[in-house]
Amino acid sequence: NAGVTQTPKFQVLKTGQSMTLQCAQDMNHNSMYWYRQDPGMGLRLIYYSASEGTTDKGEVPNGYNVSRLNKREFSLRLESAAPSQTSVYFCASSSKPGQGIGGTEAFFGQGTRLTVV
Amino acid sequence: GNSVTQMEGPVTLSEEAFLTINCTYTATGYPSLFWYVQYPGEGLQLLLKATKADDKGSNKGFEATYRKETTSFHLEKGSVQVSDSAVYFCALSRRNNNDMRFGAGTRLTVKP
Repeated sequence: NAGVTQTPKFQVLKTGQSMTLQCAQDMNHNSMYWYRQDPGMGLRLIYYSASEGTTDKGEVPNGYNVSRLNKREFSLRLESAAPSQTSVYFCASSSKPGQGIGGTEAFFGQGTRLTVV
Repeated sequence: GNSVTQMEGPVTLSEEAFLTINCTYTATGYPSLFWYVQYPGEGLQLLLKATKADDKGSNKGFEATYRKETTSFHLEKGSVQVSDSAVYFCALSRRNNNDMRFGAGTRLTVKP
């Protein structure tokens, strides 16, 4: 059972280049997320998709776009990379809480280390 | 808005020492609370969770109690091991809302 798979694991971009980070989950989860992790700042939510066909902004959406391609896949696109986007990016997924149940745990991919020079 | 505040690290302990990592939260409604652990080079893994007030989450010797009156969810372990060295994140997720929020993380190093 693969869980959450992210590609690529490492990437170096030049300022102004574009790229798409891919994420896929095989747990039939409804919700998917993109976070960035920076030293001393923990994880910050970029975008999330509560269900197939919907996306919403998180804390730090500027400079990013997302696509929920289908239930399994949620991609993150940098249209014009900037050095401030150097970070480790994590994709996560979680099941939708049912009635009477609180929030749910998330399952994480292993991350993409992105450097923008 | 929803947010989580963790004690700043890094924390360095000797093996078999007692561990406490403080976590407080701000949220409307009744969030679920989580502790995640990140080992070097890996993604985050769920360590324990609690979904309502006074619940105690526990796993691998770690415990945390959901205290609504103090809006806290402190992580404790009675005797840490070298293998517990990692970064620990407190997190919350509200009922019917999958916008999950994480604290800044606390790096724990346990020395033999």
